[in-house]
Amino acid sequence: EVQLLESGGGLVQPGGSLRLSCAASGFSFSGYAMSWVRQAPGKGLEWVSGISNTGDSTYYADSVKGRFTISRDNSKNTLYVQMDSLRAEDTAVYYCAKGLTSGWYPWFDPWGQGTLVTVSS
Amino acid sequence: QSALTQPPSASGSPGQSVTISCTGTSSDVGGYNYVSWYQQHPGKAPKLMIYEVIKRPSGVPDRFSGSKSGNTASLTVSGLQAEDEADYYCSSYAGNNNVVFGGGTKLTVL
Repeated sequence: EVQLLESGGGLVQPGGSLRLSCAASGFSFSGYAMSWVRQAPGKGLEWVSGISNTGDSTYYADSVKGRFTISRDNSKNTLYVQMDSLRAEDTAVYYCAKGLTSGWYPWFDPWGQGTLVTVSS
Repeated sequence: QSALTQPPSASGSPGQSVTISCTGTSSDVGGYNYVSWYQQHPGKAPKLMIYEVIKRPSGVPDRFSGSKSGNTASLTVSGLQAEDEADYYCSSYAGNNNVVFGGGTKLTVL
């Protein structure tokens, strides 16, 4: 069974940094693209970033470009996102999601249970 | 990019069919066959129901079907069941390695 377990969320001040992790199991992690998608409290979904199976290709939403960095460690079956210069509008549940192929495509299945990031002073 | 436009709510009785629309532009929905649909129950993670406009992942009932015409994509749920009550989100590739989501539709089974 595919499992994705996010961690690293919490309360951070505006301008601060946070690194989220997503531990994957139940599938060949190095064979699949991965993504991060977020959902502000009571709001809809927003795609954040994606990465190919090797990590050679990375993709970002305009809203986080230059502030967030996605990466992966295939030896540890773990996906990361480094979030810098955080703003109040980055407050959301962050989901890690698996792609269906090695290359990145804009669909994601399954998703982890999410980790909450709150940006507030 | 602007969010795709979905009706805030939809409803139907058990056994009936309901269709949820998702309207974008020629830069997203109309420009690519890269539309997907997600189901989200309260407090749960989203689940992929349809991808590449019409394809169903393994395990998704064939009661769920997708289509697209011009700049509008649609999700049809046939033979409504109580467990289909959830929020549904559409998404589309929007060029330049970007993805845009709709605002979501709350489906109520009467």
